[in-house]
Amino acid sequence: SQELEQSPQSLIVQEGKNLTINCTSSKTLYGLYWYKQKYGEGLIFLMMLQKGGEEKSHEKITAKLDEKKQQSSLHITASQPSHAGIYLCGADGPLHGNKLVFGAGTILRVKS
Amino acid sequence: DGGITQSPKYLFRKEGQNVTLSCEQNLNHDAMYWYRQDPGQGLRLIYYSQIVNDFQKGDIAEGYSVSREKKESFPLTVTSAQKNPTAFYLCASSIDTSGSETQYFGPGTRLLVL
Repeated sequence: SQELEQSPQSLIVQEGKNLTINCTSSKTLYGLYWYKQKYGEGLIFLMMLQKGGEEKSHEKITAKLDEKKQQSSLHITASQPSHAGIYLCGADGPLHGNKLVFGAGTILRVKS
Repeated sequence: DGGITQSPKYLFRKEGQNVTLSCEQNLNHDAMYWYRQDPGQGLRLIYYSQIVNDFQKGDIAEGYSVSREKKESFPLTVTSAQKNPTAFYLCASSIDTSGSETQYFGPGTRLLVL
């Protein structure tokens, strides 16, 4: 079974709107990674979080890891067509055998 | 420019045929990985290698084989024993596998069965 649950599975937003994607783990998250993927292409690394309560931002994308380290959120402010794609969360650490496990991904479409 | 390259971009396999997917990196990373991606699912680990001449099975290794003769190269062979090979295959590398080391991905190879 999936150790990482992403929600929503997909969403469509109007350009300029904000959105949030969630990633929830059944185990404590030691390293939590966010990647973006365009269809048919490789994964682009966005951000990595390790500490409870940690928050990182890059341009209009902000990722947070909750204090209990079992949930992360990815927030996009003022979405643009360039934000469209698949967003995947991944987690590693001793509870995952030090291997990276992934959520199923969230498909984001941005309407102009 | 440093990075990971995969070839070919598309690959067609006939019944009973073995095919090999190429993965090369010039990032001087010790660890390399192969993942399989199917629609609606996250990535699943096939094989990984922590160092030259060493590799371990991932979660779905059956029907696949790898080699790691050079640090830069980690080819994946999809054998005839893999009954459902149609998927998108992604190669990745990281500095090592000690944990919490970011993995960087290649552009992927899409394998289709004729």
